[in-house]
Amino acid sequence: DAGVIQSPRHEVTEMGQEVTLRCKPISGHDYLFWYRQTMMRGLELLIYFNNNVPIDDSGMPEDRFSAKMPNASFSTLKIQPSEPRDSAVYFCASSPTGTSGDDTQYFGPGTRLTVL
Amino acid sequence: GDSVTQMEGPVTLSEEAFLTINCTYTATGYPSLFWYVQYPGEGLQLLLKATKADDKGSNKGFEATYRKETTSFHLEKGSVQVSDSAVYFCALSDKGLNKFYFGSGTKLNVKP
Repeated sequence: DAGVIQSPRHEVTEMGQEVTLRCKPISGHDYLFWYRQTMMRGLELLIYFNNNVPIDDSGMPEDRFSAKMPNASFSTLKIQPSEPRDSAVYFCASSPTGTSGDDTQYFGPGTRLTVL
Repeated sequence: GDSVTQMEGPVTLSEEAFLTINCTYTATGYPSLFWYVQYPGEGLQLLLKATKADDKGSNKGFEATYRKETTSFHLEKGSVQVSDSAVYFCALSDKGLNKFYFGSGTKLNVKP
């Protein structure tokens, strides 16, 4: 299996621009998670989905952030407009859970976002 | 609520030294426990896991035992290598909510 795929790996943008991060989970996994990692705040859960439905978005910092999962093989995290404080590494993870009972999360390589 | 506390770093050791990274947890149910490792510029990789009390997870010479009585899951390795230098995260899975709770991470530096 190719693992969790994220794109782009690096993104540099200017304040006020729209940013879209993409994730392809491992095939057959029921859960998808978006995290943000910074030196100051560590690893934060932003939102997670079960079978394409958002379950908990309480970690989304503000209305500038939105996430979608239109099908089982694709999810996006959008920031509009972006601000310098959004600079971080964003990780996507997926988990089989469901009928398998395996609750391990498998992480993608991350997208390093820099907002100037 | 559920939470994980792990020892602060950085931890600096010489090659072949014994490693312990402490991790304790608070949970209302019976979580699964995990150790993840993050190398520079990479995502988190599963190192080992344990799904119930007294289980021992092991991988690449690392071990951790799920201790319900002390609510701990300490990571150990008998002889570290320079290549083990990384950040280590302890985590628990709330099986009911399917959410993870991560510790703050412990950076390990191994010197030759």
